[in-house]
Amino acid sequence: GQQVMQIPQYQHVQEGEDFTTYCNSSTTLSNIQWYKQRPGGHPVFLIQLVKSGEVKKQKRLTFQFGEAKKNSSLHITATQTTDVGTYFCAGPDRDDKIIFGKGTRLHILP
Amino acid sequence: DADVTQTPRNRITKTGKRIMLECSQTKGHDRMYWYRQDPGLGLRLIYYSFDVKDINKGEISDGYSVSRQAQAKFSLSLESAIPNQTALYFCATSEGRTEAFFGQGTRLTVV
Repeated sequence: GQQVMQIPQYQHVQEGEDFTTYCNSSTTLSNIQWYKQRPGGHPVFLIQLVKSGEVKKQKRLTFQFGEAKKNSSLHITATQTTDVGTYFCAGPDRDDKIIFGKGTRLHILP
Repeated sequence: DADVTQTPRNRITKTGKRIMLECSQTKGHDRMYWYRQDPGLGLRLIYYSFDVKDINKGEISDGYSVSRQAQAKFSLSLESAIPNQTALYFCATSEGRTEAFFGQGTRLTVV
């Protein structure tokens, strides 16, 4: 079946360093969604990208959707301790159900 | 009040027992989902429903069943719980294929 893969699985960065997580789908996606789950919390929607090549920014977070609409990335500039958590990408598969990648767990070293 | 409410929040049950996890939403969304989260395995889809009369199996439906009692209610049952069903369970809703809203989660332990 269709899969959404994310790398890396874990990332440790020094506070102030940049962070990037990558998402790849086995098939073209109509949209890509990004979620953040804080430790002990539930996934919370961050953003949705729809157009090929789309780039969106939210403060220090930059989201990109690939030209082929099969890959995406989330880049955080100058990480802060509040960025700690697991970041998931997700998208609707051919049956329109939302499937998730395994997530990238971000640890921030003070 | 939360838009998506799950009960119970925590549950310890014995092997072989039947248990039901409940989910209700006030978003007015037609689509509802049950996901299971295990460390390193992300969010795996158990069952999903696009409206009251629609029930579909997800990636890991074996050992689980669901009931969509109303547009706002979607419950997950474990007919005979086993230890490897120990996990964090999330209910979610969405309007179409866009943004999903998650409940707070139910932490289930099967001993």
